[in-house]
Parts: sequence; structure tokens; C-alpha cells
Amino acid sequence: RKEVEQDPGPFNVPEGATVAFNCTYSNSASQSFFWYRQDCRKEPKLLMSVYSSGNEDGRFTAQLNRASQYISLLIRDSKLSDSATYLCVVNEETSGSRLTFGEGTQLTVNP
Amino acid sequence: AAGVIQSPRHLIKEKRETATLKCYPIPRHDTVYWYQQGPGQDPQFLISFYEKMQSDKGSIPDRFSAQQFSDYHSELNMSSLELGDSTLYFCASSLGGPLDSPLHFGNGTRLTVT
Repeated sequence: RKEVEQDPGPFNVPEGATVAFNCTYSNSASQSFFWYRQDCRKEPKLLMSVYSSGNEDGRFTAQLNRASQYISLLIRDSKLSDSATYLCVVNEETSGSRLTFGEGTQLTVNP
Repeated sequence: AAGVIQSPRHLIKEKRETATLKCYPIPRHDTVYWYQQGPGQDPQFLISFYEKMQSDKGSIPDRFSAQQFSDYHSELNMSSLELGDSTLYFCASSLGGPLDSPLHFGNGTRLTVT
């Protein structure tokens, strides 16, 4: 079982739709959680950190459930420019300084 | 704002040759990470350095070595190159470890081994 698992995707949605991505992690000792975005052939870029209380940044809302070891990302009013691969990322205290990435969920927003 | 700079952007080498990838972190960042990403795959952690010392080691082959220099830039040295080494290599930097600040990635170096 992979340490970080995401919805397999791909997701194809119309502009303006709301889309949710789910992610689970296997190590209960995990300390930090992030969503990164990666465009085709580009580097991953931090979208947002995920805090225990949940956090929102404009149209993006991230939630963390430590008991269920579950992370989510909600995108409201999706734009064409949201089309990318979304990577769930976890830092496990026991693994030192590395970040462990999920395989990513590809999103395509259609006009 | 200054970002992580990797060089070269593209590199073509032959089997059994040696390659050196360079990474210049964001100014004042003291931690550097190397990742490898195959097509359609997630980034795989290779190795990281904090304050010029190796801080963590992942799935880095014995043929590869890396170091962080006094100016905090890092180099990934790859010897006895194999066809399977052809992929995208990312460097990232942060201030402290990932518990302290998020990682910022460079544009990557695409290595092709022929």
C-alpha cells in the first residue's frame, strides 16, 4: 500500500463546477500536510498547507481529519486555469526531512 | 522573487558517462532536496541536505552522490549512467525542514541517456 493515496482521476468538469479531491495517508505520525499543483512538464508548486482546523484560500478549501488520516481539497467555481495535476503531500516525522507525494489527481476544466 | 535555479535545463549523455546536476536554492534557504520524477509518476525523494550535511536519504542509487556546498548550492553527481536514469530531476529548497516551511521547486533538469 502506498504511503499517500489519492483519487485516481482524471476529473473533467465544466467551468464553474465544484470539485473535491480526496487523499489518505498511512502513517499516523505524519506531521505536515500540503496540496501541491503541477502543470504538465513543470515543477510542483505549493498550492496550500493543510491545517488541523481546516483552511481556506479564496476558492480553495483544505480539510484534515487526523483520526481518519484523510485530507481533502475543494475547489469552488473552477476556472480553466485550474487544469493541472493536484498532488497530496505528507511529511512524516519518522522519515526525516522528506516529503512523500501521492500520485496526483489530474483535473481538466472545460469551457 | 528569486526562485530555485537548476542547471542545466536539459542534458544528454551516453550510457556509462557521468552527469552533474546543479541546484541553487532560494537565498537564505538552508535545506535542499533532490527528487526524481518519471512520466505520469509522483516525485520520488532521493536525498536532502540541511546546513551542508546530509539530512535524509531516500531511493538514491549507489551510483549517485550529492553534496551541499558552503554557499548552500547543491550538486547531484550521477555516474555509470543507465538508460533508466533518463527522467526529470527536481531540486527544491526550504528554510529549515518541511515542518518549518514549504518546499519550493526548481524548473527541473531533464536528463536523457542514450
